[in-house]
Amino acid sequence: SSELTQAPAVSVALGQTVRITCQGDSLRRSYASWYQQRPGQAPVLVIYDKNNRPSGIPDRFSGSSSGNTASLTITGAQAEDEADYYCSSRDSSVTHLVFGGGTKLTVL
Amino acid sequence: QVQLQESGPGLVKPSQTLSLTCTVSGGSVSSTNYYWSWIRQPAGKGLEWIGRIYTSGNTKYSPSLKSRVTISVDTSKNQFSLKLTSVTAADTAVYYCARGASGYDDYYYYYMDVWGKGTTVTVSS
Repeated sequence: SSELTQAPAVSVALGQTVRITCQGDSLRRSYASWYQQRPGQAPVLVIYDKNNRPSGIPDRFSGSSSGNTASLTITGAQAEDEADYYCSSRDSSVTHLVFGGGTKLTVL
Repeated sequence: QVQLQESGPGLVKPSQTLSLTCTVSGGSVSSTNYYWSWIRQPAGKGLEWIGRIYTSGNTKYSPSLKSRVTISVDTSKNQFSLKLTSVTAADTAVYYCARGASGYDDYYYYYMDVWGKGTTVTVSS
């Protein structure tokens, strides 16, 4: 079982806002990073550290954290945002890396 | 622009050793700013971190795989490698290599900003 918990699936209407959450005790000491994975493709980093986006990631992607929960928010979801999203962070020992189980986002 | 490319056998027999190499182009495995990681993903399942190595050779492995995993770096070839011993069908997956950054800034952080395309490894006789 993962130390990070994500809802298996979330849906959002085109153009609306969606929040994907990630829960785990390690998030009280470690930032979450978020990865987007489209079918048949490698994961792509979309958010890291407090709320940083790599070059080329649209600003509709943002991250936040409170207590043991990290969130990825997509403001104005687009059809191309339909993908699996994974959070990751250091584990509770801050020695290793762990991934959440992933959330499948459907854009309706 | 840094690129990573995994290579190695696509089919490995049970009980044998899985060996993969990640070739780094457009950057250097000798960089002191980054770690070099392996991650895998069984078909239809989530991502699993295998481990990472620093240019100095310092390694960290997933506790669940630690007894079977070795990650090494070859600075002369600008490559890093994964060996996983005593494989079973449960090790069948897409294997990714990735570049990561790690540190502390109020909170601990570790993220992977460049990934290879992945290579499929099947364990079967």
